[in-house]
Amino acid sequence: NAGVMQNPRHLVRRRGQEARLRCSPMKGHSHVYWYRQLPEEGLKFMVYLQKENIIDESGMPKERFSAEFPKEGPSILRIQQVVRGDSAAYFCASSPPSAGSNTEAFFGQGTRLTVV
Amino acid sequence: AQSVSQHNHHVILSEAASLELGCNYSYGGTVNLFWYVQYPGQHLQLLLKYFSGDPLVKGIKGFEAEFIKSKFSFNLRKPSVQWSDTAEYFCAVNALNFGNEKLTFGTGTRLTIIP
Repeated sequence: NAGVMQNPRHLVRRRGQEARLRCSPMKGHSHVYWYRQLPEEGLKFMVYLQKENIIDESGMPKERFSAEFPKEGPSILRIQQVVRGDSAAYFCASSPPSAGSNTEAFFGQGTRLTVV
Repeated sequence: AQSVSQHNHHVILSEAASLELGCNYSYGGTVNLFWYVQYPGQHLQLLLKYFSGDPLVKGIKGFEAEFIKSKFSFNLRKPSVQWSDTAEYFCAVNALNFGNEKLTFGTGTRLTIIP
């Protein structure tokens, strides 16, 4: 059972370009979470998705950022018109469907985005 | 909204020293608690977790943590550290909201072990 797969591992974009980050959850997991880790800081929650639904986007910047988790394929975090401040490590986590909340999320290796 | 505080930003220890990293959270309801470790250039790995039951939780690599509800704390301990424990350690909280495993992280503690 492969873990959470994120690609690319490293992504360099010029200011104004678009960045697309992909996350394939673990097999059997239907919940996906995106987190951002800025230099010298902890991880900050961005968005929580289930298949074809955004459940909680309270941590997403209001502009330029969007996320989706289609019925087929990986979850995508999209950043339009990137700026230097978007440079960070973006981590995806997945968890199985659960009746309660006594489950844990498994993290991918992250995508390190550098905006030049 | 919940928050997590890790007061030690950088800890430096010699090998074989004992370790305790502090973690306090603020949330009035029931929580799940986690400690993650991030080795340089790698992803987060779960060290241990507390959901319910015995407040003293044992994790991997000889780590343990104690949940003290009255103090809103979940400190991480290891009796004798090794050079390979050099990493960043994150405490995280999930306020129980059925079906939503959103985590709130502390800012992390960087642990450096001197051989």
